[in-house]
Amino acid sequence: EAAVTQSPRNKVTVTGGNVTLSCRQTNSHNYMYWYRQDTGHGLRLIHYSYGAGNLQIGDVPDGYKATRTTQEDFFLLLELASPSQTSLYFCASSGPGLGETETLYFGSGTRLTVL
Amino acid sequence: SQWGEENLQALSIQEGEDVTMNCSYKTYTTVVHWYRQDSGRGPALIILIRSNEREKRSGRLRATLDTSSQSSSLSITAAQCEDTAVYFCATRPGGYKVVFGSGTRLLVSP
Repeated sequence: EAAVTQSPRNKVTVTGGNVTLSCRQTNSHNYMYWYRQDTGHGLRLIHYSYGAGNLQIGDVPDGYKATRTTQEDFFLLLELASPSQTSLYFCASSGPGLGETETLYFGSGTRLTVL
Repeated sequence: SQWGEENLQALSIQEGEDVTMNCSYKTYTTVVHWYRQDSGRGPALIILIRSNEREKRSGRLRATLDTSSQSSSLSITAAQCEDTAVYFCATRPGGYKVVFGSGTRLLVSP
């Protein structure tokens, strides 16, 4: 079973605060993704990456930076957090190509509250 | 049907009924994924259908794909209480970008 670990599980910060969300996958997957999920809505893509040092802009990137330091580790950075960024954040990984390697494997999520 | 920015849809049925959830996507895709999300957990893939397939079955699940109308459906036969979850479709509009529909919250009551 593919493994994606997110930390922390919960985070509370204040407006203007600096937050880093961490994600590690041990699946040897090339692709990693950050999504946010707001109550009553679907998942919206923030940033994604196909390998260490690579970063692609998603659909809702404003206010977020991301960095892929290794194949395993993908970080989401909020440098000036705002209440609108209060959300549930999911990280996911997938392999390249066809078949089961296209499956996204998700972590358990980080619930972020910005006061 | 679900996509993108719309609110989560809700369906409520009785155990034993059949149910169909629809997904209309906006851009070309070669594959549609269907994910299930249980409360407090990340989504998990339940079925995947490619553009060269019109129908795909897995147990009580049946997915269809109509590329001409850019729509997909997920059907559950004889739903059970444990099918209660949120269901999402997802597509690959280009490269390895994966985008999700807004989802359908399914409640199956005994």
